[in-house]
Amino acid sequence: DTAVSQTPKYLVTQMGNDKSIKCEQNLGHDTMYWYKQDSKKFLKIMFSYNNKELIINETVPNRFSPKSPDKAHLNLHINSLELGDSAVYFCASSQRQGNEKLFFGSGTQLSVL
Amino acid sequence: DAKTTQPPSMDCAEGRAANLPCNHSTISGNEYVYWYRQIHSQGPQYIIHGLKNNETNEMASLIITEDRKSSTLILPHATLRDTAVYYCIVRVVGASGGSYIPTFGRGTSLIVHP
Repeated sequence: DTAVSQTPKYLVTQMGNDKSIKCEQNLGHDTMYWYKQDSKKFLKIMFSYNNKELIINETVPNRFSPKSPDKAHLNLHINSLELGDSAVYFCASSQRQGNEKLFFGSGTQLSVL
Repeated sequence: DAKTTQPPSMDCAEGRAANLPCNHSTISGNEYVYWYRQIHSQGPQYIIHGLKNNETNEMASLIITEDRKSSTLILPHATLRDTAVYYCIVRVVGASGGSYIPTFGRGTSLIVHP
């Protein structure tokens, strides 16, 4: 069973559209994250949630809205997609806040045309 | 959090040991050293971590210098599947995470060749 799963794996869409990426972890972890990896392969954190509460928001445009319905899920909704949003988005989880042993999903490659 | 410095790239022959260095000269006494790797098109994968003693698991060994200002990740018998970007991170474990941001640097791109 996949520990951290995210869907879809690939997402191709037009500029201006709204899209969502889903993430689920079955590890019983309290903390979940979204990272963005751009074309230069730099892995940058976007958000972190701990027990459904937002704890980190790294100056991400408010077109990006994370939603955590329960601590096993952290979804990412993106409004009015722009070309610069094209990247690979990774979801991750850790046992608790401040625990560095992160478990990552396999990524969602978003292409905005 | 202490910053880390890693060489941008290294290469290694298959079957030989790959030794990946990391400098963390500003590390403080309660900061751990963590290593991750990212194989192409996959999410980063945790490898190993340590505080001051050398550590070994099924994936790798971690050697931390006595002054803790640097460490080396050792893949004892590198295979082609070990080709990846390797990240070294230092952080206090268990500290209040309110402002903790798990941050990845550029890492070292390791190429294992036949």
